[in-house]
Amino acid sequence: KAGVTQTPRYLIKTRGQQVTLSCSPISGHRSVSWYQQTPGQGLQFLFEYFSETQRNKGNFPGRFSGRQFSNSRSEMNVSTLELGDSALYLCASSLAVQGHTDTQYFGPGTRLTVL
Amino acid sequence: AQSVTQLDSQVPVFEEAPVELRCNYSSSVSVYLFWYVQYPNQGLQLLLKYLSGSTLVKGINGFEAEFNKSQTSFHLRKPSVHISDTAEYFCAVSDRAGGSYIPTFGRGTSLIVHP
Repeated sequence: KAGVTQTPRYLIKTRGQQVTLSCSPISGHRSVSWYQQTPGQGLQFLFEYFSETQRNKGNFPGRFSGRQFSNSRSEMNVSTLELGDSALYLCASSLAVQGHTDTQYFGPGTRLTVL
Repeated sequence: AQSVTQLDSQVPVFEEAPVELRCNYSSSVSVYLFWYVQYPNQGLQLLLKYLSGSTLVKGINGFEAEFNKSQTSFHLRKPSVHISDTAEYFCAVSDRAGGSYIPTFGRGTSLIVHP
């Protein structure tokens, strides 16, 4: 089985722009979660989508949004980029019928740099 | 709100020596506990998880962890490390607060194995 794929792997944007990141989960996985990883704040949960619905949400401003398509692929969007949004954005998929007890499989991440 | 403390930011150790990476959490409800490993330029990989039952959990690559409810700890151990174990290790906790599962990660411990 192919693993979780994320595109693009690297991205450079300037302040004020918006960006869309993509995540393709493992075939058959219906849950997709997004995380932000920075040296200062560590790993932080952004949100989780299950069957095209946002099921859980972390403590991030509304500039961060996401969606999930019927094939379980997910996109994450950040509008009005700030320097502090520079981070590694990780996507994880799981079968998860309920909660985070199922094993999450992580993609390699998208490295976003905001100049 | 739950929190996770990884007491050591960096743990140097010689090859074939035993190692323990410490993790303490705070949560007032039943929790699920996880250890992940992250190799350079890669996403996270699940090492092991505690959901319920036996407090000693065995994972991949020879790692194990023990859940201690009274001390709210979930320390990771390996009896003999290898050079290839050099990586960043993250402890995470998830509980069902408010009906949803929001995972919280520790800041990570860098395990450095010297020959």
